[in-house]
Amino acid sequence: QVQLVESGGGVVQPGRSLRLSCAASGFTFSSYAMNWVRQAPGKGLEWVAVVSDDGSNKHYADSVKGRFTISRDNSKNTLYLQMNSLRAEDTAVYYCARNLGYDYWGQGTLVTVSS
Amino acid sequence: QSALTQPPSASGSPGQSVTISCTGTSSDVGGYNYVSWYQQHPGKAPKLMIYEVTKRPSGVPNRFSGSKSGNTASLTVSGLQAEDEADYYCSSYAGSNNLNYVFGTGTKVTVL
Repeated sequence: QVQLVESGGGVVQPGRSLRLSCAASGFTFSSYAMNWVRQAPGKGLEWVAVVSDDGSNKHYADSVKGRFTISRDNSKNTLYLQMNSLRAEDTAVYYCARNLGYDYWGQGTLVTVSS
Repeated sequence: QSALTQPPSASGSPGQSVTISCTGTSSDVGGYNYVSWYQQHPGKAPKLMIYEVTKRPSGVPNRFSGSKSGNTASLTVSGLQAEDEADYYCSSYAGSNNLNYVFGTGTKVTVL
């Protein structure tokens, strides 16, 4: 069955960096676009970034453009999100989600940006 | 890209039906038949309930149905059950510029 497992979250000071990972299994990872979607505490869902199946196309929400980088390693079935210059407003649960229609989601990893 | 508009809350008694609306524009909901609905229980990840406006993934009860008219999509839950109490989010394809889907603001469904 499809499984997505995020890791790498934690507490980080404003301005610092963090890298999230999402390990995929149960499907042909290299055949699907992958996304990061976040949810601030008590708030709704916000799409963050998407990468095409082969990693050649990447797009970002305006709120993270220039600070976050999405990437993937199809040989390791793993999706990444490099987050730099973190701000308090980046505090959220970060989910990886498969496909352009978000048909499967991981359980999420909490990122807290606080001094 | 602005979020799609959903009512903050909806409710119904067990066995009744509840319908949630999701209003966008001709650039998203009205322009494509790529509207999805997600159910999220507290502390859990979202779960896909409806895709491409009306289709149900395997395992989703047929009590859940979707429709669309113009720039507004709707999710109907018939025969409400206690486990249907959750937050529901819509999303819609918003064009190839960003390859992204825009989410709705979310609706809390309460089973009375």
